[in-house]
Amino acid sequence: EAGVVQSPRYKIIEKKQPVAFWCNPISGHNTLYWYRQNLGQGPELLIRYENEEAVDDSQLPKDRFSAERLKGVDSTLKIQPAELGDSAVYLCASSLVAGNTDTQYFGPGTRLTVL
Amino acid sequence: EDQVTQSPEALRLQEGESSSLNCSYTVSGLRGLFWYRQDPGKGPEFLFTLYSAGEEKEKERLKATLTKKESFLHITAPKPEDSATYLCAVMDSSYKLIFGSGTRLLVRP
Repeated sequence: EAGVVQSPRYKIIEKKQPVAFWCNPISGHNTLYWYRQNLGQGPELLIRYENEEAVDDSQLPKDRFSAERLKGVDSTLKIQPAELGDSAVYLCASSLVAGNTDTQYFGPGTRLTVL
Repeated sequence: EDQVTQSPEALRLQEGESSSLNCSYTVSGLRGLFWYRQDPGKGPEFLFTLYSAGEEKEKERLKATLTKKESFLHITAPKPEDSATYLCAVMDSSYKLIFGSGTRLLVRP
């Protein structure tokens, strides 16, 4: 069974440029998460989707970050414009259902470098 | 405020030298405590979930235990391939995962 797929794996951009990350969750998983992981730190939740609905986006910097999950499957996370402090690894995870302790399975992440 | 603290930050062991990693937490309404392993350049890989104090789970050389305030990940006779960062996370009452900063483990041959 395929795991969580993310692309691109690496991205280097100049500050003020836009960038987008894509995630395809494990087949059949209804809940999708985007996390940001800074160097030497654990992942921090940015947004959680239950099917197409964003049910927790309290940690998403809404002035420059946006996300969507059309049709309740794939998801895209966008940053516009990027700032130097956005350099981090962006992880996508999925779990089977929402509202319980189902295991979250992570993708390999996208390493973003903002110059 | 919910918080997860892992210690030590880094640990160096000789192959075969057993040790333990600590995860202390404060959380409102613990739903579960999760252990993940993360290799460089990869996403976290699930290891265990513990739900209540006194629970224990084992997988190969790893054993996780849980009390009301902390969890331990015991590594028995580690091998170089056990080298990785081990992340602890608690799930709060809203089913949100809160991660610690991890323990970087290096096992030397």
